[in-house]
Amino acid sequence: DVKVTQSSRYLVKRTGEKVFLECVQDMDHENMFWYRQDPGLGLRLIYFSYDVKMKEKGDIPEGYSVSREKKERFSLILESASTNQTSMYLCASSTGQGNQPQHFGDGTRLSIL
Amino acid sequence: AQSVTQLGSHVSVSEGALVLLRCNYSSSVPPYLFWYVQYPNQGLQLLLKYTTGATLVKGINGFEAEFKKSETSFHLTKPSAHMSDAAEYFCAVSASGGYQKVTFGTGTKLQVIP
Repeated sequence: DVKVTQSSRYLVKRTGEKVFLECVQDMDHENMFWYRQDPGLGLRLIYFSYDVKMKEKGDIPEGYSVSREKKERFSLILESASTNQTSMYLCASSTGQGNQPQHFGDGTRLSIL
Repeated sequence: AQSVTQLGSHVSVSEGALVLLRCNYSSSVPPYLFWYVQYPNQGLQLLLKYTTGATLVKGINGFEAEFKKSETSFHLTKPSAHMSDAAEYFCAVSASGGYQKVTFGTGTKLQVIP
């Protein structure tokens, strides 16, 4: 089975901190995605990547950046955390160039105090 | 641009009853359509997807959905609900072809009553 692993289930940080969320997939998938999930808003795409060192902005990239130095790892970075970035963050992956997300991690619930 | 509207943020059905979760989409080009399921404290799983071809799509766990272009709908159904179906369900849409962003609906929580 494909596994998408997010490094933390729960994370508490302070405003202004630089925050790293890590995601690793074990099936050599080309595509990786970062979403945030908020009640009543569904999932919103932050960034995605179709190849190593490649990244594309999603619908809400402001305040975030990403890194994909290796195919299996896709990191989300909050440059200077703010309280409105308190949310559930979901990483996903898929195979086949350009395909929709197929496999999701269990999420990281991030609280910014 | 593409968008989806899920009708009903909460749906309750009795165990053994028909499950019907509604999704309407808006797309200026031929769409790809998806249903995902999220069980408590887990990420999402892809239930089924429509790209081209047969408009009735079968997915995992006995779910199916029918693409109706004239009604711009992609409703999810299951003939007989099981307690294990209790979860949140998300409809999603993208433009056809590769490298297209997927837009998610706001979700419908399904409660199954014994």
